[in-house]
Amino acid sequence: GENVEQHPSTLSVQEGDSAVIKCTYSDSASNYFPWYKQELGKGPQLIIDIRSNVGEKKDQRIAVTLNKTAKHFSLHITETQPEDSAVYFCAVSRNSGNTPLVFGKGTRLSVIA
Amino acid sequence: KAGVTQTPRYLIKTRGQQVTLSCSPISGHRSVSWYQQTPGQGLQFLFEYFSETQRNKGNFPGRFSGRQFSNSRSEMNVSTLELGDSALYLCASSLATGAGNTIYFGEGSWLTVV
Repeated sequence: GENVEQHPSTLSVQEGDSAVIKCTYSDSASNYFPWYKQELGKGPQLIIDIRSNVGEKKDQRIAVTLNKTAKHFSLHITETQPEDSAVYFCAVSRNSGNTPLVFGKGTRLSVIA
Repeated sequence: KAGVTQTPRYLIKTRGQQVTLSCSPISGHRSVSWYQQTPGQGLQFLFEYFSETQRNKGNFPGRFSGRQFSNSRSEMNVSTLELGDSALYLCASSLATGAGNTIYFGEGSWLTVV
């Protein structure tokens, strides 16, 4: 089955700096890659997703890049703010069939003011 | 538009008891999935329901079961609770079934087994 590795497990950055989280996956048929943000005591919230027909997607300060050949994708957060502090999860699935999302183990991001 | 609603938010049960958790999906969403979240194992898929039918099941013992009603609301049940069942149980909904559909999570039900 699919295996998703997420790095780093913890990340501390100064406010205003950029943060990058990387995930690798094993199933070359995977083609849907969402990212979720989970704040303390809350459920995961979808922040951005990408499908394999594009290599990059941006939404304000958040971007995701995908390298299907290398089977990895990354989340980039620019101009980080204290409210970006949370646990971020990557996930992977296929566009077809009934395979559910497989999640990485998460990255705890701390933005230091 | 209301999000995914889960009840109860917090509960404490004793080993051997059973528990039922409830989930109301986003209006118009017909697929409901359940995930278990623990510090050690992360987010793990339990099962998915669509049109009252279980479409997919994760690698959990038969003590974990679920169902979906005609209004798309869903319940999951865990029987003969074990200490290791202590976790955050997350419900997620999407418009349709199948991989690649965007799923939206609820706030979760925190279960503690003592």
